[in-house]
Amino acid sequence: EVQLVQSGAEVKKPGESLKISCKGSGYSFTSYWIGWVRQMPGKGLEWMGIIYPGDSDTRYSPSFQGQVTISADKSISTAYLQWSSLKASDTAMYYCARTDPSRRWFDPWGQGTLVTVSS
Amino acid sequence: EIVMTQSPATLSVSPGERATLSCRASQSVSSNLAWYQQKPGQAPRLLIYGASTRATGIPARFSGSGSGTEFTLTISSLQSEDFAVYYCQQYNNWPFWTFGQGTKVEIK
Repeated sequence: EVQLVQSGAEVKKPGESLKISCKGSGYSFTSYWIGWVRQMPGKGLEWMGIIYPGDSDTRYSPSFQGQVTISADKSISTAYLQWSSLKASDTAMYYCARTDPSRRWFDPWGQGTLVTVSS
Repeated sequence: EIVMTQSPATLSVSPGERATLSCRASQSVSSNLAWYQQKPGQAPRLLIYGASTRATGIPARFSGSGSGTEFTLTISSLQSEDFAVYYCQQYNNWPFWTFGQGTKVEIK
């Protein structure tokens, strides 16, 4: 079974750094892209960026370029989303999901990581 | 950026009735459109891709149609587990995806 399992919920203060993870299993992790999607409280879905763990090729949505960093460690089949200085407006649920240039939709999705940034 | 507009924002339907959800693209996306279902507290789940192909394990009561700029998701006979928020997503220009704002299907 193809699965993406994300790290647990985080509570942080403004200005702190954070790295959340997404571990893939049940498929060749280096053969598909992993995308990150933000969902702010009560809002819709926003694509943030994607990474190809095979060679770490990374693409960012213009809305998130420079705001976050996406990385991957193919040796442990894990992708990451990180912030160097969190803001209250980063409070949201973050999902990872698998994609690739031939099947260009997102499937499957991780269960989500809730990030709460509050002083 | 391609803007995706879903209507209505909320759809009130009785169990067993048909639900019709619309999604419009600001420019043609051909058939490069997916639909997702999101239940409260859960991650989105792929329902339809290629505008009309059901994903693995999706019941036949879900159907998608359309191409170009106008798309429809139809749920032929609503079951209790179908009450959720539905999102459309264009993937015509990979990887610059955009999602619609969602349609909430609620119990009438």
